Amino acid sequence: DGGITQSPKYLFRKEGQNVTLSCEQNLNHDAMYWYRQDPGQGLRLIYYSQIVNDFQKGDIAEGYSVSREKKESFPLTVTSAQKNPTAFYLCASSPREGLRAFFGQGTRRTVV
Amino acid sequence: EDQVTQSPEALRLQEGESSSLNCSYTVSGLRGLFWYRQDPGKGPEFLFTLYSAGEEKEKERLKATLTKKESFLHITAPKPEDSATYLCAVQAGGNFNKFYFGSGTKLNVKP
Repeated sequence: DGGITQSPKYLFRKEGQNVTLSCEQNLNHDAMYWYRQDPGQGLRLIYYSQIVNDFQKGDIAEGYSVSREKKESFPLTVTSAQKNPTAFYLCASSPREGLRAFFGQGTRRTVV
Repeated sequence: EDQVTQSPEALRLQEGESSSLNCSYTVSGLRGLFWYRQDPGKGPEFLFTLYSAGEEKEKERLKATLTKKESFLHITAPKPEDSATYLCAVQAGGNFNKFYFGSGTKLNVKP
């Protein structure tokens, strides 16, 4: 089945550690996105990519980095500079920029 | 400042009790308004896209409408399985990758 796969589903890390969240899609979509969802708040855009080897910062890019070496993959690295202790990370893709997004199942990160 | 506000934050209904969720927006150059359903611990699931004032979309017990300032998601005779958080997102301006999300309405339907 076509879709977006995020891994891991849960992530526990100590402060000071960089972690990388995986996002893979087999929908042949050009655009991919990373969002963060905090309790009681809407989704906020971290990074997005329209094509391979190109990506743009969203509203809350500080403390994060991404790469887009392959069309189907858009990994997100949460660096030690990211202070938010707990967050739900959502990866999404769309056929081309602007159309509705298909979301993965999310990764919940907790700092221990 | 571009903004999307959803109300109420939470809504409890009895099974069969119809109601509406609201999404109001203040953005420049609306290109599309999206409704999603999100179950706890899961990613949002697409429901509808609306592009212009007066447009309506229906799916089972859900009906979405759009005016120049707000959108409503009407739920007719809801069932417990309709319990979820409903998110509204607006795409606006020249940046096609810019989606503004509301904080959602958490719906709980009691049997």
